[in-house]
This record gives sequence, structure tokens and C-alpha cells, in this order.
Amino acid sequence: EVQLVQSGAEVKKPGESLKISCKGSGYSFTNYWIGWVRQMPGKGLEWMGIIYPGDSDTRYSPSFQGQVTISADKSIRTAYLQWSSLKASDTAIFYCARIWNDGVQAFDLWGQGTMVTVSS
Amino acid sequence: VIWMTQSPSLLSASTGDRVTISCRVSQGISSYLAWYQQKPGKAPELLIYAASTLQSGVPSRFSGSGSGTDFTLTISCLQSEDFATYYCQQYYSFPYTFGQGTKLEIK
Repeated sequence: EVQLVQSGAEVKKPGESLKISCKGSGYSFTNYWIGWVRQMPGKGLEWMGIIYPGDSDTRYSPSFQGQVTISADKSIRTAYLQWSSLKASDTAIFYCARIWNDGVQAFDLWGQGTMVTVSS
Repeated sequence: VIWMTQSPSLLSASTGDRVTISCRVSQGISSYLAWYQQKPGKAPELLIYAASTLQSGVPSRFSGSGSGTDFTLTISCLQSEDFATYYCQQYYSFPYTFGQGTKLEIK
């Protein structure tokens, strides 16, 4: 089955670090861009950035550049989103999603989402 | 950064109605536009890409139109399962921004 499976919910304190994951299966993981999308509580979708697991080429939204790090380990078909120092405002659901292809760079496959709660 | 403005933000309708959601873009994006549907507690799903092409498996009551800066999502005969939030997204230039969403609720 073609799918993206994300790591489970996290509860962290401000200032802590965190790395969440997104594992692809059922397709050629290295040949598709993977992106991350934030959804703050009760809010809309925000495009954070994307990575090409084949060569780790990465693009960030200016809104998230320097705030998070997107990475991938193609040997285990997994993409990551990480923070070095969380803030309360990082509380959100984070989705990973696959970009369909070069001609249609919409997200055609989504993970189930990872809820991150940052609270003291 | 390309800005996306959806209208309305909230749309009340009844089963069987025809509804239209608008997406206006701050600069021309040709047809590099997608529409997504998101139900509560679920990940978004791709409905339409290239402004007007239905994703496989999407019912034909959904349609998309437009190019350049003005786009429309139409649902021709609302079904109960269509009540959800809809987002447009441009994939013309980075970052690939989303609209703020349109919540379609039962009247």
C-alpha cells in the first residue's frame, strides 16, 4: 500500500528539542519530494518546506526558514521535521505529504498528521 | 510570496445545492492550482489539480475552473459527505502557499 506514516503525538516543554518523522512505503521514496504542512489549532494549512530524499535538496518557506530543519534518510525511507528549541507557538498538527510529480507539484498523498503540543 | 484569498470563509448550504468557492491569487499562476478537501480530524485530500483536472476517484459533481489569478471550485449537487473545509493552493512558485480555507457547513 502506498502510504506515509507519521510518528505519534508529542508533548514537550518550551525550549526542548524535537524531531518528528514520516515514513514512506509502497512507492519509490527517493523519487518524490516530501513536504511538511503546519496546521495550528483551528486554523488553516501552511506550507513549510519540502525535501527531495534522493539528494536531500531542500526548500523552505521564508516563514519557516531558520525555525525548523527538514531532513531525510533515504536508507530508511523517512523524512524528518525538527526543532532545536520549541516555543508554545509551535503547538500544531504537522502533516507530511508527497508531491505528485514535476508537472503537478500538488500534494497527492498525505500522512495522518502528528500533533505537537508545547506547554510548560 | 504569492498570496491566496478564498471567499467566502464560511458557506452555509443544504444538501442538493450548487455551491461555488472562489480563490484569488496575488499574481498570475497560469493553471498551477490545486484544491483540497479536509474533514475534521483528518488529513487534507487532493480534489483537483491543474485548476480543473479531477484527481482519480473524486466524484464528478466537483469541478474547477479558472486560470491566471481567478479560480473557482464548484460542487454541483451537495452531498452530506461534502460538508468540510476546502483549500486552494498554488504550486507556481515557492513557497507553495495555501488559501485560508472555506468551511462549508450545513444550513
